[in-house]
Amino acid sequence: DQQVKQNSPSLSVQEGRISILNCDYTNSMFDYFLWYKKYPAEGPTFLISISSIKDKNEDGRFTVFLNKSAKHLSLHIVPSQPGDSAVYFCAARGNAGNMLTFGGGTRLMVKP
Amino acid sequence: EPEVTQTPSHQVTQMGQEVILRCVPISNHLYFYWYRQILGQKVEFLVSFYNNEISEKSEIFDDQFSVERPDGSNFTLKIRSTKLEDSAMYFCASSEGSTAYEQYFGPGTRLTVT
Repeated sequence: DQQVKQNSPSLSVQEGRISILNCDYTNSMFDYFLWYKKYPAEGPTFLISISSIKDKNEDGRFTVFLNKSAKHLSLHIVPSQPGDSAVYFCAARGNAGNMLTFGGGTRLMVKP
Repeated sequence: EPEVTQTPSHQVTQMGQEVILRCVPISNHLYFYWYRQILGQKVEFLVSFYNNEISEKSEIFDDQFSVERPDGSNFTLKIRSTKLEDSAMYFCASSEGSTAYEQYFGPGTRLTVT
């Protein structure tokens, strides 16, 4: 089941630069998308979300973009900080319930 | 800041034994969830719970699994007869209401079945 896919298992970025994490989905019934950050031995931490009726949502250094026609979303982190180093998951909610379907995650490493 | 808590952090059990994983969701949240992540795999939905009953469950959530809210604060996941393949991190999550879709996760319980 690959309804939500993160094709890059890892990403390395220099401190201060932009990090762009990508996510693709196949199910057109998804109506809400979320990004989570996860440190080892901790649970996923909610970062930012976007409804399918929007194409952009911004919160501080984090911006999520949604391209519904391409079934693609991305998370931009600007500027990246070493503390941002973690695994980032995108997740999607279907319109028939609250169950979240997760992607496989992208490990972000921000180098000082 | 309110957070979801889970106990124990690590549980080791023998195959065939029953385990109960415990969670305290955020106090004003109405929806509760269990997810699991087998090592090296995706986070997978197990079940959601609202108004004292299961509202959704996945194919993974078979008759071996049950959930309960035994009092006003705890939310439990019981695995009746554990199998080796139940070894995973189990995450509890909660969300506020029917239009607030953000789910907040606990730190997880690592279940090891030997």
